[in-house]
Amino acid sequence: GESVGLHLPTLSVQEGDNSIINCAYSNSASDYFIWYKQESGKGPQFIIDIRSNMDKRQGQRVTVLLNKTVKHLSLQIAATQPGDSAVYFCADYTSGTYKYIFGTGTRLKVLA
Amino acid sequence: NAGVTQTPKFRVLKTGQSMTLLCAQDMNHEYMYWYRQDPGMGLRLIHYSVGEGTTAKGEVPDGYNVSRLKKQNFLLGLESAAPSQTSVYFCASNKASPGELFFGEGSRLTVL
Repeated sequence: GESVGLHLPTLSVQEGDNSIINCAYSNSASDYFIWYKQESGKGPQFIIDIRSNMDKRQGQRVTVLLNKTVKHLSLQIAATQPGDSAVYFCADYTSGTYKYIFGTGTRLKVLA
Repeated sequence: NAGVTQTPKFRVLKTGQSMTLLCAQDMNHEYMYWYRQDPGMGLRLIHYSVGEGTTAKGEVPDGYNVSRLKKQNFLLGLESAAPSQTSVYFCASNKASPGELFFGEGSRLTVL
């Protein structure tokens, strides 16, 4: 079946550096993508989303890039802070299915 | 504003017992979802609802039933619990699809 996956299970970055978390998806019909942050013992929290008619979207300290040609999605976090330590999930959605398909997650560790 | 509330937060069952997880949202959202999260895996969709009185199967529906008798509540039932259903269960809701999913804090279920 179709799936959304992540290249790196764990990413360690120095505080203050930029982080890039990658995600590959396989469903060429996916038209909406979303990133979530999950801290230990808590529910996922929305970070940013992007529709397939865009290739870049910026939020506060975060940027999502979408490359539909190679079916790749990335989340960039600027000036990574200790509070950014968490597991990050991407998910894709195909209109009409009502289903958000999540990847397995990447753990981000921020080193002091 | 409570958002999405799940009860109970923790439960231990014996194989063969039944139980119901309750999800309540106070945001007047149309769409509600039940996911399960297992170690090393992403969130997998169990069942979802696109409005009061409707339910539909997700990726892993076997062994679970759901009901959406009231718009604000989405119940997940296990008729005969199995150890394979040991997991953390998350409920989510949103106003429109596609769009941001609002998650509860999770319900940790252990089946012995």
